[in-house]
Amino acid sequence: DGGITQSPKYLFRKEGQNVTLSCEQNLNHDAMYWYRQDPGQGLRLIYYSQIVNDFQKGDIAEGYSVSREKKESFPLTVTSAQKNPTAFYLCASSMVGSMNTEAFFGQGTRLTVV
Amino acid sequence: GQSLEQPSEVTAVEGAIVQINCTYQTSGFYGLSWYQQHDGGAPTFLSYNALDGLEETGRFSSFLSRSDSYGYLLLQELQMKDSASYFCAALSGGSYIPTFGRGTSLIVHP
Repeated sequence: DGGITQSPKYLFRKEGQNVTLSCEQNLNHDAMYWYRQDPGQGLRLIYYSQIVNDFQKGDIAEGYSVSREKKESFPLTVTSAQKNPTAFYLCASSMVGSMNTEAFFGQGTRLTVV
Repeated sequence: GQSLEQPSEVTAVEGAIVQINCTYQTSGFYGLSWYQQHDGGAPTFLSYNALDGLEETGRFSSFLSRSDSYGYLLLQELQMKDSASYFCAALSGGSYIPTFGRGTSLIVHP
């Protein structure tokens, strides 16, 4: 079955540590996104990529980094520079341009800083 | 910048009809999507409107008025399982990147 997979579902991090969230899709989508969701805040865009080896900052990119070495994969690293990293992180993929009318989401990773 | 406004919460009873409104301010607007998200889950796509008018998909319908920068999601014959958060998302700009509203929590009572 085609879909988008995030792992792990729950992640705990000590302050000062970097952590990487995985996102893999087998939908053959060119575009991939990372959103952060906090209670009452909706989904805020962190980074997006529309082609391999290229990505763009979203609205809240500070303290995060990404890579897009393969079409299927778009990992997100939450660095120690992110001041408030505890949140629910959602990865999504879609077709690009005018074909993008529907984004497919993974089940999310809930990150907690301890 | 881009912004979307929707009510934070709506309540209704089973079997009723409810309308969730969304107003948007974006540059280069292409269309409006709606997503449903149950607690702790993945948002799932409901509908997309690029043109003015009503799109119907089963119990759910979505409406867009480009001249008013306004859209709504209409849910009919409400069921308990419809209790969830509903997000409108605008596709705009040269990259068609979805920008989401803050979401509306729908609570359906028996």
